[in-house]
Amino acid sequence: DAKTTQPNSMESNEEEPVHLPCNHSTISGTDYIHWYRQLPSQGPEYVIHGLTSNVNNRMASLAIAEDRKSSTLILHRATLRDAAVYYCILRDASGTYKYIFGTGTRLKVLA
Amino acid sequence: IAGITQAPTSQILAAGRRMTLRCTQDMRHNAMYWYRQDLGLGLRLIHYSNTAGTTGKGEVPDGYSVSRANTDDFPLTLASAVPSQTSVYFCASRLRDGSTDTQYFGPGTRLTVL
Repeated sequence: DAKTTQPNSMESNEEEPVHLPCNHSTISGTDYIHWYRQLPSQGPEYVIHGLTSNVNNRMASLAIAEDRKSSTLILHRATLRDAAVYYCILRDASGTYKYIFGTGTRLKVLA
Repeated sequence: IAGITQAPTSQILAAGRRMTLRCTQDMRHNAMYWYRQDLGLGLRLIHYSNTAGTTGKGEVPDGYSVSRANTDDFPLTLASAVPSQTSVYFCASRLRDGSTDTQYFGPGTRLTVL
């Protein structure tokens, strides 16, 4: 299974953009890149996903490198409620539909 | 019921006892998953089911079994609990529809094995 590497923690000031990086150098051609976040004492929640092109939704943007070996989750204006652990995940493309979570990045938002 | 429910919310269990964690979804999703999350760590996949009647092993399946008799229910059983199975257990279901591909997680079950 392809793995992802993320920084253990990051800090951001409130109302400023945040760029959360993820490396996935062993990604296969059909693996989708998913991002989830986990607020304290809750289960993870979906943020965004993509394959090759950059993606935008109401929560965030996903920028995918041209070689697909890295990606960046962009929160355009961080709020205190965005403080969470963010997981970059590759969805297994073999048809088993397994999602392999890494250890994630703990985002701290400063008021 | 809306979404995914898990029961119990928390449990303290003596080592060697048998325990079944329940998971029910009302969204008619085909795929369901069980994860464990140890303190301060990420989630690890225990077992999954792509559709009713089928199951598969994840990263850490030893000591656990699952069944998927119908679409809604996906129970996880610890046949003989050991202290290393102390963890928070999350159940999830997956919706894939066109460009949508999302897992929905339950609130978790906090299990302590003594």
